Amino acid sequence: AQSVTQLDSQVPVFEEAPVELRCNYSSSVSVYLFWYVQYPNQGLQLLLKYLSGSTLVKGINGFEAEFNKSQTSFHLRKPSVHISDTAEYFCAVILTYGGSQGNLIFGKGTKLSVKP
Amino acid sequence: GAGVSQSPSNKVTEKGKDVELRCDPISGHTALYWYRQSLGQGLEFLIYFQGNSAPDKSGLPSDRFSAERTGGSVSTLKIQRTQQEDSAVYLCASSPGRFQETQYFGPGTRLLVL
Repeated sequence: AQSVTQLDSQVPVFEEAPVELRCNYSSSVSVYLFWYVQYPNQGLQLLLKYLSGSTLVKGINGFEAEFNKSQTSFHLRKPSVHISDTAEYFCAVILTYGGSQGNLIFGKGTKLSVKP
Repeated sequence: GAGVSQSPSNKVTEKGKDVELRCDPISGHTALYWYRQSLGQGLEFLIYFQGNSAPDKSGLPSDRFSAERTGGSVSTLKIQRTQQEDSAVYLCASSPGRFQETQYFGPGTRLLVL
């Protein structure tokens, strides 16, 4: 069963427009959630993560994500994107079952393309 | 400080040859991970090291794949008798411990099997 689903493989958007990249995960007792970004020809770097506490998480470069347990979602948002945000974004999850913790499982990625 | 480094950055090999990919994690990081990034497949977990031990090898796709880590630092991923479907970017990551920790990724090794 797919643990992490990124519904959109590509998202084109104009500069200064808002954007939402969707991520849903398989239900579990508890989860740790991450968004990673991969800029062209670079390695992955962490944007933000949710471990516990406030469901609204703020990350680098003006991105934020909200953990919604009832909808098993962790959508990434930015109110106004820049050309430099063009990259591939990966949602990732660590699922836990009865105290046992799994590996970091990645979604297939969403390519964000910001056009002038 | 220095990040995770990987070598070579690119590797072209012929089908049937063996290859070795190297990862130098961030100093002091006890956990080390290998992933494979293929077109259309996203990022697949291969293996996880805690120190020199590999408690989780569940992602290795076949017995042609093996990995080791020495001195709690450098790791080598070995692929024997390479096949064209092994072509991918192989990513290494490290973290200070395991669970909940941010993983820091290297730039990857792009492997092309002709």
